[in-house]
Amino acid sequence: AQSVTQPDIHITVSEGASLELRCNYSYGATPYLFWYVQSPGQGLQLLLKYFSGDTLVQGIKGFEAEFKRSQSSFNLRKPSVHWSDAAEYFCAVGGGNEKLTFGTGTRLTIIP
Amino acid sequence: NAGVTQTPKFRILKIGQSMTLQCTQDMNHNYMYWYRQDPGMGLKLIYYSVGAGITDKGEVPNGYNVSRSTTEDFPLRLELAAPSQTSVYFCASSTLASTSTDTQYFGPGTRLTVL
Repeated sequence: AQSVTQPDIHITVSEGASLELRCNYSYGATPYLFWYVQSPGQGLQLLLKYFSGDTLVQGIKGFEAEFKRSQSSFNLRKPSVHWSDAAEYFCAVGGGNEKLTFGTGTRLTIIP
Repeated sequence: NAGVTQTPKFRILKIGQSMTLQCTQDMNHNYMYWYRQDPGMGLKLIYYSVGAGITDKGEVPNGYNVSRSTTEDFPLRLELAAPSQTSVYFCASSTLASTSTDTQYFGPGTRLTVL
């Protein structure tokens, strides 16, 4: 069965610093990979997704993620975070006839 | 477009009561989903629908029922509320012919507490 692991429950980053959120997946074939963001009190919004092609994917709000098949990873990055990036971030994997599987999320706190 | 809307935003139920969580989307999406989100557990799929009149169970369907009489609406029914159903419930929709490869659009959620 497919699965997603987000090893960091909570990350604190200073405003202006770089960010990397980790995501590891388990899937038997070529996965469809997603990063969603959930701002406080809101529903989830898609940041970016990877299906095929270029393994470096650009998303909204200045985020990017890199698919590394050899490491079964799809880490999310941002070169310089803003206070408005404070939120919870979910990685998800899907594909074929499987339902979308979400990770447990990483909560991001931004300090001034 | 309003996107995906959910009502109510908050609700407190007593054990054994019933209620319906409403979900409506105005994007003409065929696929709709109900998830529950528990702290530290990510999102779990309760039920989904691939079109009007067609529904199917997800990962955690026990204690819930759904119907899909129109493309726009996908209500979730709790018949006998239990404390284990305390959670945040999200409705989502998507357009393409796959429940796991298309972007899903989420509503703002309903926070339900069962006491």
